[in-house]
Amino acid sequence: EIVLTQSPGTLSLSPGERATLSCRASQSVSSSYLAWYQQKPGQAPRLLIYGASSRATGIPDRFSGSGSGTDFTLTISRLEPEDFAVYYCQQYGSSPTFGGGTKVEIK
Amino acid sequence: EVQLVQSGAEVKKPGESLKISCKGSGYSFTSYWIGWVRQMPGKGLEWMGIIYPGDSDTRYSPSFQGQVTISADKSISTAYLQWSSLKASDTAMYYCARSRDGYNIDFQHWGQGTLVTVSS
Repeated sequence: EIVLTQSPGTLSLSPGERATLSCRASQSVSSSYLAWYQQKPGQAPRLLIYGASSRATGIPDRFSGSGSGTDFTLTISRLEPEDFAVYYCQQYGSSPTFGGGTKVEIK
Repeated sequence: EVQLVQSGAEVKKPGESLKISCKGSGYSFTSYWIGWVRQMPGKGLEWMGIIYPGDSDTRYSPSFQGQVTISADKSISTAYLQWSSLKASDTAMYYCARSRDGYNIDFQHWGQGTLVTVSS
């Protein structure tokens, strides 16, 4: 089973700042089957990025994904108030798994 | 509009059985994967398993294999997650989710969640 390790656990930033979230896999993720989700309190997760770098339908272009193999990054170019949430990466190749999450909080 | 509507919250005792549901609408139910995701209180997301209602192909996470059963009734566009004997540690929010397309199993659409509480 592929283990995904997300860092940092918590990111304290101000609106307008850039957020960089990391997701490291214990083995190479095949064909960049890597997704990112956003979850706000009391809500279901929302798909942001699939295929490591493709934005899902309706996702603003301030969200971008990059990486391949074992190292992936989600970047939020300028944080909006509604972006403060928990973010999860997921590999959906063989036996899918989620990372432990990164909380982006207001500084 | 794609919608996944899950059954309501449940309160059960240890050892009881339970089956929760997820009804899909607004798309071809048999052409997309439906998955189940657990979220224990205050914790992260855990991938449990998926089913392709078109042919009932079902896959489980090793962590959940043998602990739950995933099924689907395509005649009523509904997927299910069931337990034969609940434990207190099954207390969690359970989400169903639909794959983005028929081949890739990232989840584009999500249900509202079903809260399962297991307590004596």
